[in-house]
Amino acid sequence: DAGVTQSPTHLIKTRGQQVTLRCSPKSGHDTVSWYQQALGQGPQFIFQYYEEEERQRGNFPDRFSGHQYPNYSSELNVNALLLGDSALYLCASSQGSGVAYEQYFGPGTRLTVT
Amino acid sequence: AQSVTQLGSHVSVSEGALVLLRCNYSSSVPPYLFWYVQYPNQGLQLLLKYTTGATLVKGINGFEAEFKKSETSFHLTKPSAHMSDAAEYFCAVTRSGTYKYIFGTGTRLKVLA
Repeated sequence: DAGVTQSPTHLIKTRGQQVTLRCSPKSGHDTVSWYQQALGQGPQFIFQYYEEEERQRGNFPDRFSGHQYPNYSSELNVNALLLGDSALYLCASSQGSGVAYEQYFGPGTRLTVT
Repeated sequence: AQSVTQLGSHVSVSEGALVLLRCNYSSSVPPYLFWYVQYPNQGLQLLLKYTTGATLVKGINGFEAEFKKSETSFHLTKPSAHMSDAAEYFCAVTRSGTYKYIFGTGTRLKVLA
């Protein structure tokens, strides 16, 4: 049973560019959350997708957007990249919206903005 | 608003010694609390969680944590450290009615031979 997978593993972009990160949830999971983990920090919640809609959003600007497909896979898009967007981006999947549902995390995509 | 504070960004213990990683939370409603471990170049793995019921929670790899409401704490312990426990540990909090997890800044555990 494959866990959460993310692609690409590493990415280098230039300021002002746009980037798309991809996530495939664990089998049987229908909910995907995205987190940003800056160096030396804990993960920060970006948003969560369920039934192809953004269900909740953290304190991130509109430059951060996402999408969820009918097969539950998800994309995170970041426009107009800033140096401060350099971080590890983690995808977590879970099933439904049960109380304190368990999130399974992928290995992350390391984004470097130069 | 909810928040999490992890005391000690770096903790060193000798192999075989007690591991104690501290986590204090702030929440105006009953919290759900989690401990995650992150090994280098990997995602986060759930060690244990507290939702309701028994306040002493046992997790994987011999870890356990106790929810103490009066102290707003959820410290992680392991009786005997192993070299393989060296990693970064994150405490997280959430609550009913939200899908957002709040993570602490992490504690890097070093195990000395």
